[in-house]
Amino acid sequence: QVQLQESGPGLVKPSQTLSLTCTVSGGSISSGIYYWSWIRQPAGKGLEWIGRIYATGSTNYNPSLKSRATISVDTSKSQFSLRLSSVTAADTAVYYCARDSQLVVAANWGQGSLVTVSS
Amino acid sequence: QSALTQPASVSGSPGQSITISCTGTSSDVGGYNYVSWYQQHPGKAPKLIIYEVSNRPSGVSSRFSGSKSGNTASLTISGLRAEDESDYYCSSYTSSSTVVVFGGGTKLTVL
Repeated sequence: QVQLQESGPGLVKPSQTLSLTCTVSGGSISSGIYYWSWIRQPAGKGLEWIGRIYATGSTNYNPSLKSRATISVDTSKSQFSLRLSSVTAADTAVYYCARDSQLVVAANWGQGSLVTVSS
Repeated sequence: QSALTQPASVSGSPGQSITISCTGTSSDVGGYNYVSWYQQHPGKAPKLIIYEVSNRPSGVSSRFSGSKSGNTASLTISGLRAEDESDYYCSSYTSSSTVVVFGGGTKLTVL
């Protein structure tokens, strides 16, 4: 059974860059049938899709993030990462990494990582 | 404002059935049979309970079922139990540049 685990700083200063990594175990990140996604959830609010990456490096992003998001993959480490630049308090949220199976959005989820943007 | 519209809350008594709607457009829910539903308990990650409109992953109770009519998808939970009290979200692929959209979530209260 695939497992995903987010890691990264829990506190980021405004205007800086948020960086998170998702480590995948129990399944190959290089498999050509999955997308690897990032989703976030502000406290008390709903889910927001950030973007996804394919094993080849092909990406899609939510336009609402206005090009601040970058997702990359390191197949040698079974990891994929999120960088979100120029953060503000509005970016404070629990960030989840997830695996999309075939055309199923977020079939498997990490446990989530709380990131707070504050000086 | 979420791209897909869900009621903020629904409630039901143990043993009853409830239905949660998820309304989109012909560009998302109405245009694809790739609607998924998730259950999220407080402080936990969401869990996939329905995919491709009406399919259940292995291990998900048959009390959960999904359907779609036009631009609206629905999640029905039959034989309500206390442990069903949770937040529920829908998602869909979309032909817009957003690619994936979520509903705003519905809080289910078991009375």
